Amino acid sequence: DAGITQSPRHKVTETGTPVTLRCHQTENHRYMYWYRQDPGHGLRLIHYSYGVKDTDKGEVSDGYSVSRSKTEDFLLTLESATSSQTSVYFCAISAPLNPGQVITYEQYFGPGTRLTVT
Amino acid sequence: DAKTTQPPSMDCAEGRAANLPCNHSTISGNEYVYWYRQIHSQGPQYIIHGLKNNETNEMASLIITEDRKSSTLILPHATLRDTAVYYCIVYIIQGAQKLVFGQGTRLTINP
Repeated sequence: DAGITQSPRHKVTETGTPVTLRCHQTENHRYMYWYRQDPGHGLRLIHYSYGVKDTDKGEVSDGYSVSRSKTEDFLLTLESATSSQTSVYFCAISAPLNPGQVITYEQYFGPGTRLTVT
Repeated sequence: DAKTTQPPSMDCAEGRAANLPCNHSTISGNEYVYWYRQIHSQGPQYIIHGLKNNETNEMASLIITEDRKSSTLILPHATLRDTAVYYCIVYIIQGAQKLVFGQGTRLTINP
């Protein structure tokens, strides 16, 4: 599992409240990602990070912000939660495959956070 | 939008080989073909990847056509635990790997 944890695992919140989800990794990987998954759909990229304090937007970044002040933590914040942000949120890291050969990467995903905005 | 096309669902009998197709007709020369699967509501799990040669690992085999416009994931002896949604994704591996997931193929293994 590449040492990825997410917290909280479940959260129910009200519309308009701020929410922060945390992703923590133990292996000092450079790249970290936040995805969301809605029923019947594949995952969609929200934001990603390529180093401490280096982040960029993904496909569905509106309404979300991120921060990465330490290599091991990548935070996703919903400044003012809306019902459309009810979803399952997955964090991921990129880890190298076959070190020592031509390096390719795979993504390891965390267990997910189920967020409900009422 | 996803750059791949997969059938929405497939069935396979337990113990038989499951062959999952994927079309990626617009793939560029430096894009790899990756397969992930998602069991229930868990996070996706890496299965296998390739550039242009066929690949095999302990989980599956990947067959990529010579023109690289399509591929097939083969689970040689499917078990009930292989029931999952399988995603075929193409992307460049340098830098941030911003995966674009389609809807995948829901594979059901029947006893």
